[in-house]
This record gives sequence, structure tokens and C-alpha cells, in this order.
Amino acid sequence: KQEVTQIPAALSVPEGENLVLNCSFTDSAIYNLQWFRQDPGKGLTSLLLIQSSQREQTSGRLNASLDKSSGRSTLYIAASQPGDSATYLCAVSSGGYQKVTFGTGTKLQVIP
Amino acid sequence: GAVVSQHPSRVICKSGTSVKIECRSLDFQATTMFWYRQFPKQSLMLMATSNEGSKATYEQGVEKDKFLINHASLTLSTLTVTSAHPEDSSFYICSARAPGRGPNTEAFFGQGTRLTVV
Repeated sequence: KQEVTQIPAALSVPEGENLVLNCSFTDSAIYNLQWFRQDPGKGLTSLLLIQSSQREQTSGRLNASLDKSSGRSTLYIAASQPGDSATYLCAVSSGGYQKVTFGTGTKLQVIP
Repeated sequence: GAVVSQHPSRVICKSGTSVKIECRSLDFQATTMFWYRQFPKQSLMLMATSNEGSKATYEQGVEKDKFLINHASLTLSTLTVTSAHPEDSSFYICSARAPGRGPNTEAFFGQGTRLTVV
């Protein structure tokens, strides 16, 4: 059974800092990995999708890396802004029907 | 990207009543849809995998008689919470994957439904 863990569970940084969120998964036989953000009481916003054959993806100030063999992914946020405050979820697609398993989430607070 | 629409976004119901949540893929056909539940301050947990034209596959610990899933067409899956109780209050969200685009396809998510049972 796929298990996805995110560290840290919560993070508070001053505006402008660069930061890294970590995601680890137990079964390396994945199809892809997605990073989402979730604002309080809201749905999911897809940030980046990394295919199993890829090592990284970039979108604006966001860069996600994938090391499938070691079961790890990182989300790098450059020059953080208060608007980046949200919960960040990584999700791994694996197994039959390509089930998506979500991580435990990292709650980020960027302080102005 | 593809669009998945979920309705309603919020619902309040009385204890003992049933609530139906709809999940539609608007611009693609989805042979498989997923239903997730999220309790406050927790991550999303997969409840069941919904397959068009066949019975849903439920995750361990999810009562299939309480959470009825119907995937009658390639664009619509419904989740009915039967005889809802306050402990069923949660955020429910669906996901769909477009077929025929290879194994490494992106999962698209609905906006979610906030269910409150009073």
C-alpha cells in the first residue's frame, strides 16, 4: 500500500525567503506525482505534474523535483510571498486504476 | 486542462436524510473517477474508485451501503451519503482521469463539496 509523507507538517517563513517542501513515498512504482495547493475551506489547485520519467518541472517561482528510485520529491518555492500561504499537498499516482494517494500536507505561512 | 465539475459546493442536511453529490467531466470522458473525503486539518483519503458500468471499489473501512456510488455514464459519477449523521460532515472531492492518453495522465479534481449534517 502506497504511503505518502510530507515534511515539515507546518512551516512559517518571512516574505522573500526561498523554501523547500519535502514529500516521500513508499512505493517507487509510480506513474506520476502532482503538487497541489489548498486554501482553507477550498478545493485543490494543481501546481505541477511530474511524470515518472521526468526529474523536474518548473512553473514560475515553483520548481518540483522527483527522485523516483529513492521515493522523494521536493517543491522549491523561490522568493516566497504572503499569497503563497496555503497547505501544499503532494499526490502520487500508482497501482491499479492509477489511484492517487495524497500526502499529509505542509501548511505554509509566509509572514509579510 | 480538462474540467471536472462537482455539485453542490456546499450542502447542509438534517441527520437521517440522504445527500447526493454529482461529479461531471465536462470536456472528456472518464471511465474511472475517484471519491475522496477530507476531515478538518487532515489530508484527503480515498474512499472509492468508481468505474463506468460496474460496481465501485471501496477502500478498507468505507461502508459501501452508506456511501453509494453510481457511475452510469462516461461523464457522470454520483456519491450518495445515505442516512447522514453529523460524523459524516466532511469535505468530499472527486477526481477523474481521461482515458486513452497513456498511463501517465494527470488527475483532474472537482471543486469539492462541503457537507454539514446537523
